[in-house]
Amino acid sequence: QSALTQPASLSGSPGQSITISCTGTSSDVGSYNLVSWYQQHPGKAPKLLIYEDSKRPSGVSNRFSGSKSGNTASLTISGLQAEDESDFYCCSYAGSRTYVFGTGTKVTVL
Amino acid sequence: QVQLVESGGGVVQPGRSLRVSCAASGISFNTFGMNWVRQAPGKGLEWVAGISYDENNKGYADSVKGRFTISRDNSENTVYLQMNSLRADDTAVYFCTKDLGPGGAFDIWGQGTTVNVSS
Repeated sequence: QSALTQPASLSGSPGQSITISCTGTSSDVGSYNLVSWYQQHPGKAPKLLIYEDSKRPSGVSNRFSGSKSGNTASLTISGLQAEDESDFYCCSYAGSRTYVFGTGTKVTVL
Repeated sequence: QVQLVESGGGVVQPGRSLRVSCAASGISFNTFGMNWVRQAPGKGLEWVAGISYDENNKGYADSVKGRFTISRDNSENTVYLQMNSLRADDTAVYFCTKDLGPGGAFDIWGQGTTVNVSS
């Protein structure tokens, strides 16, 4: 149950697009179409952005999109806005009713 | 309105036990799996334990297996995490989360309860 690997930090200017990667193994990310993504502002509970690799819950902005290739999942934020400055985490099902989170990425809007 | 409210956190000495609870409202509690996710101070999220809607399936992170037990009472709309043999590195905010469905995601989160393991 090793944590999925994410870049520690990313930054972008308003209006730009950034992509956060999430690398796992053939036992988690690569085995199931069950990667989810969460956004967490300081002192708050995380919020679900993407589930089942690329699906968006109702109410989540279409500026957030997810994809996956092999053992690596990605979250793209389009049209970066000041309110996007926060931490982002990926999570994958890992079998036998277990899950593993990513190491987290701090996004800064310049 | 869907709501998860955790309780039971506090300061506990290493080696002692603590049980945290999560009360759900606004959902058909007995149809969803539930989980506990924790976050140590200044650190990332760590999935801790999960339980199916009928208690027949449970899963644990390696870091807590054999020490923590997840359970639920569907008549009380409550999920529990019994934590034994607590260690300093169990210090964290413990969040209760609801399964989205079979989709392997957590769509509802509580506000968290803080557990501080310290002598």
